[in-house]
Amino acid sequence: KAGVTQTPRYLIKTRGQQVTLSCSPISGHRSVSWYQQTPGQGLQFLFEYFSETQRNKGNFPGRFSGRQFSNSRSEMNVSTLELGDSALYLCASSFGQGGDTQYFGPGTRLTVL
Amino acid sequence: KNEVEQSPQNLTAQEGEFITINCSYSVGISALHWLQQHPGGGIVSLFMLSSGKKKHGRLIATINIQEKHSSLHITASHPRDSAVYICAAGGGGNTPLVFGKGTRLSVIA
Repeated sequence: KAGVTQTPRYLIKTRGQQVTLSCSPISGHRSVSWYQQTPGQGLQFLFEYFSETQRNKGNFPGRFSGRQFSNSRSEMNVSTLELGDSALYLCASSFGQGGDTQYFGPGTRLTVL
Repeated sequence: KNEVEQSPQNLTAQEGEFITINCSYSVGISALHWLQQHPGGGIVSLFMLSSGKKKHGRLIATINIQEKHSSLHITASHPRDSAVYICAAGGGGNTPLVFGKGTRLSVIA
């Protein structure tokens, strides 16, 4: 089975722009979670989607949004980028929702200049 | 105080040594996860456990639910074990995972 894929792998944007990141889960997995990783804060939960419904949202401003499609693929969007949004964005898929083993993608490294 | 605390933050060991990484949590959990992250960012899930002990090769994970504490042990450590090890608590229901800050392990040959 193919693993979790994320596109793009690297991205450079400037402040004020917006960005869309994509995540394709392992085939058959219906849950996709998104995480932000920075050197200062470590890994932080952004959101979780299961069967196209957002189940949980982390403590991030409304500039961060996401969605999940009927084929379980997910996108996250960050609008009005700030320097502090520079981070590694990871998605993870699991078969069930919540506490199942999560399989992580390679991440998208976003740099905001 | 963080909801998930790991110790030590950094660890250097000689090849062959027995290694222990500790994780204490204050959140309610359905499971405790141990993750491994190599340079470059890729994360691999090592264990998910809600009670007792699990073993995979040279890796052993234990959890004490009453004390809200988990340990990850590496026996006969090897330079390829060098990575950041992260514990995460929560998951299930409406509780997303909360992560520790990670333990950076370097194993020297």
